[in-house]
Amino acid sequence: DIQMTQSPSSVSASVGDRVTITCRASQGISSWLAWYQQKPGKAPKLLIYAASSLQSGVPSRFSGSGSGTDFTLTISSLQPEDFATYYCQQANSFPRGFTFGGGTKVEIK
Amino acid sequence: EVQLVESGGGLVQPGGSLRLSCAASGFTFSSYWMHWVRQAPGKGLVWVSRINSDGSSTSYADSVKGRFTISRDNAKNTLYLQMNSLRAEDTAVYYCAREGSYLDAFDIWGQGTMVTVSS
Repeated sequence: DIQMTQSPSSVSASVGDRVTITCRASQGISSWLAWYQQKPGKAPKLLIYAASSLQSGVPSRFSGSGSGTDFTLTISSLQPEDFATYYCQQANSFPRGFTFGGGTKVEIK
Repeated sequence: EVQLVESGGGLVQPGGSLRLSCAASGFTFSSYWMHWVRQAPGKGLVWVSRINSDGSSTSYADSVKGRFTISRDNAKNTLYLQMNSLRAEDTAVYYCAREGSYLDAFDIWGQGTMVTVSS
């Protein structure tokens, strides 16, 4: 099974900071990677799919990059509403199993 | 409005059964693959199961294989998860999620339903 490892597990940042979260797959997954944002008590929200495609309605300060085994989610200028937990998810393994990373909590500094 | 609404969660004893439902509205349910994802209290997201658009193909996480069954009724726009032989470690919020066309990602999520397995 493909394992997804996110780092860091938590990050403290201030409004306006640039934040970068990484996700590493245990084997190559091409560009079959998505990123989600989850706030406490709420369902996850899709931010990025296919590693770098921005989901409709998501602010452009969010961006994704990478392919193969190493991926990055970047928030270019952190806003108050961005404090949340972020998860990566792969969709490459057959027969279409999906695996999430362990999550990265973005906290207020 | 595109929406998924889960129901059927609750408290069940170890070894018991529960059936979750997920009612879809605002989109052509029969065109989409659907999934169940769970989240134990204070923990991360874990994919549980998926079903293709016509219900002919399913897959499961190893942790639930042989105990859980995913199904759908496209006439009723409803997704199901039958959970048998429940264990304490199955305690979680269960979300249904739509796999977006050509996205290989979950673009619509329900609000979740809590399942607690305890004596």
